[in-house]
Amino acid sequence: GAGVSQSPSNKVTEKGKDVELRCDPISGHTALYWYRQSLGQGLEFLIYFQGNSAPDKSGLPSDRFSAERTGGSVSTLTIQRTQQEDSAVYLCASSEADGEPYEQYFGPGTRLTVT
Amino acid sequence: DAKTTQPTSMDCAEGRAANLPCNHSTISGNEYVYWYRQIHSQGPQYIIHGLKNNETNEMASLIITEDRKSSTLILPHATLRDTAVYYCIVRVAYRNTGNQFYFGTGTSLTVIP
Repeated sequence: GAGVSQSPSNKVTEKGKDVELRCDPISGHTALYWYRQSLGQGLEFLIYFQGNSAPDKSGLPSDRFSAERTGGSVSTLTIQRTQQEDSAVYLCASSEADGEPYEQYFGPGTRLTVT
Repeated sequence: DAKTTQPTSMDCAEGRAANLPCNHSTISGNEYVYWYRQIHSQGPQYIIHGLKNNETNEMASLIITEDRKSSTLILPHATLRDTAVYYCIVRVAYRNTGNQFYFGTGTSLTVIP
């Protein structure tokens, strides 16, 4: 079946522009996660959705970052007024539920480059 | 806060067992240990998880010490395609914030022909 998909796969933007990254989770998966991976670094947790709700947004690096999820499915991560330090691969993952144990399925990521 | 510590890199000869260690000395009783791997330019891939008992699946075995403060992922017969970064993760469940995975920088495993 279809896995987690993300779009675009690559995005180059100028400093100061806004960007929107999209994640399509596996159908029926209620939990959705966003991570960021900078060059040569591990994954940094950003935000988690259970259904359409994000119980805690404190993982987002700054108030320029926001995320939403609609219909319990597609999620978008928006970065306003992008900065060069925002350059990274943004990964989305989904899982069937939020119970234990569970497995997260990752998408291929969006590589964001801010020039 | 780092929940797990792993060696930065390891080499393994093709066909040999690869043993990847992980320390999670602050793990609490209800926290599972998960292992993922990330092959270059791909999203992370689930390998295995465990709570107390040793676990085995078609990809690997997971050995957890009795005190649960460390574990070892074993790839029984490493192939060149197993070259990847391996992440040992402790999942933490918060009542209000849901479930977070802490990925460290992982172990870069290179399988040598």
